[in-house]
Amino acid sequence: GDSVTQMEGPVTLSEEAFLTINCTYTATGYPSLFWYVQYPGEGLQLLLKATKADDKGSNKGFEATYRKETTSFHLEKGSVQVSDSAVYFCALFSKDSSYKLIFGSGTRLLVRP
Amino acid sequence: ETGVTQTPRHLVMGMTNKKSLKCEQHLGHNAMYWYKQSAKKPLELMFVYNFKEQTENNSVPSRFSPECPNSSHLFLHLHTLQPEDSALYLCASSQDTTGPSSGANVLTFGAGSRLTVL
Repeated sequence: GDSVTQMEGPVTLSEEAFLTINCTYTATGYPSLFWYVQYPGEGLQLLLKATKADDKGSNKGFEATYRKETTSFHLEKGSVQVSDSAVYFCALFSKDSSYKLIFGSGTRLLVRP
Repeated sequence: ETGVTQTPRHLVMGMTNKKSLKCEQHLGHNAMYWYKQSAKKPLELMFVYNFKEQTENNSVPSRFSPECPNSSHLFLHLHTLQPEDSALYLCASSQDTTGPSSGANVLTFGAGSRLTVL
């Protein structure tokens, strides 16, 4: 079945460091891909998305490119801030999984001043 | 209020208690979802309702009983739970269940109800 694999955390960075959180997926067909973010004490919020190969989703300085050839959707940010500390979830939706949004297990990011 | 609101935010209950979690959305969406979030595990989809009809029960034990009286409200009734049911229960809504590829059908989540079963 469809699945999403994320790098295990926590990821600890200093402020202004470069961030990469890896995400790879397994799916039949052509899924849509998402990154959600969960700040402490809150629910998940959509961060960015891409619906077809080579699309780049971007928001709040974060970017991720849909790479069909490597089945990846890695999240990147050039300069992280303390306020970016949160848990980041990669997710996919495919027609074959109907209306199920399949999530990875999440990666905790801790940014130190 | 806007968005998806869940109450209570925190709940502690014994294994013999009966309690309910409530979710309300003011987004005009037609689909609502219950997810379970446990530590170090992927989010688990529990139930899906589309236009008040249950369309998904992801092999959830019968001690969890959902109710969707209208498209704006979703409940999760809890009875005779086990300690391993302790988790964060997240409610979400979307326009409908045809999928997010159109760009409009993104899930909006509530802040969750943290459940502890003693």
